[in-house]
Order: sequence, then C-alpha cells, then structure tokens
Amino acid sequence: ILNVEQSPQSLHVQEGDSTNFTCSFPSSNFYALHWYRWETAKSPEALFVMTLNGDEKKKGRISATLNTKEGYSYLYIKGSQPEDSATYLCARTANAGGTSYGKLTFGQGTILTVHP
Amino acid sequence: NAGVTQTPKFQVLKTGQSMTLQCAQDMNHEYMSWYRQDPGMGLRLIHYSVGAGITDQGEVPNGYNVSRSTTEDFPLRLLSAAPSQTSVYFCASTSSTNTEAFFGQGTRLTVV
Repeated sequence: ILNVEQSPQSLHVQEGDSTNFTCSFPSSNFYALHWYRWETAKSPEALFVMTLNGDEKKKGRISATLNTKEGYSYLYIKGSQPEDSATYLCARTANAGGTSYGKLTFGQGTILTVHP
Repeated sequence: NAGVTQTPKFQVLKTGQSMTLQCAQDMNHEYMSWYRQDPGMGLRLIHYSVGAGITDQGEVPNGYNVSRSTTEDFPLRLLSAAPSQTSVYFCASTSSTNTEAFFGQGTRLTVV
C-alpha cells in the first residue's frame, strides 16, 4: 500500500447501530496513526493517536485498534447517535529520524451519517 | 487558550490576484503545516515548518509560498491565484513530542 486509504467512503446508519471504518496505510517507516473527527464548518479534532502495534484506545463509545505490521487500523462506534455524524479522517506520519515533523498523510475520509 | 487561529474564513479572489492566509498558534508548538482539502480527496500537505526560519515543501507546493519568522506565525501566500487553487485550506500545529495536530478553523477560498 503506497497511500493511506479509508473505507467505506460513506456510510448511512440508523441511530443505535454500531459501525466501523477501516484505514490502510504503508507499514514501512511507520511513526504514528491518527484519527480525526471533522464536522462541517469546524476544524478537524483529534480522536486518537496511536504508535505501537496492538494499541487499542477508547473514548466513550468510540474505540480504535492498530496493526502496524500489516498496516491497518479500525475505528469503532458503538450505538451510533445523530451527533456522531461527521467525516472521520485517518492520517499516518512517517518516521524521520525519531520524529515526524508533524507531517500527516491523510486518507480521503469516511462520511458517516446517523439517521434518527 | 486560543489554539490555532486562522484568517480569513472565506475569501473570493480573481485569477491573478495575490493574498496571504494568516495562521497563528499560542501553544509554542515547533511544527506548523498548511493543508488543502478538495472534494473526494484527503487533506494534502502544501508546506510545513519545523521551527522559526525553517520551511520545506509538502506534496502540493506549487503556487504557494511560506515563511516562518516567529514560532507563532506561519502565513501562506498565493502570489498569483489560479482557479485550481479553489479549495479549503487548513493550518495545523504540532508539538515536537508528536501528539495530535491542532487545526485552525479553515479558509474557504474561491478563485474566479
């Protein structure tokens, strides 16, 4: 995998459904994997930053896992609510001698719409 | 704490005009970056800076200039705007401990 790829591109679910998204990324020269939540007309906000293979992070109903060896991460939302509607962005940073210089390579995002 | 302040929020330019997008952060972050976001594509890195006086090109630098005279400010200049530069622009800052990036509010630029 040469680029950061996210799937699906968009997702429509009903309130209460659980859902998950996938982010695939180059596994070589890996530094960190970021997940951001981006609501229309607002700034992207960080959900998780993960660095270690096997990392699992959780914030309320949202959780994420990381597999750096095979180059993928999953984002899970349990019991989706209408306020979860947003674009979810995945981004990878590469290792540049022990730092990333803050240079993010983004996937194209997954647009989630949660219907009441 | 203001975080990352980006101005303006909206701008319409005519082809050939120049303008500067302002970005300032008050978190004493070493790293700052500019991204553009186009429909169906992820945010793409335009230019970045690792400290005052140090800048470098990202993935899509053509048509843009940057400078970093202070830690706080990282303006993006369009010297001669083209319709292909119609996009949403985001400024971001990150500490050298490489945790999350903090983004400005975005600038929606239209070049006609």
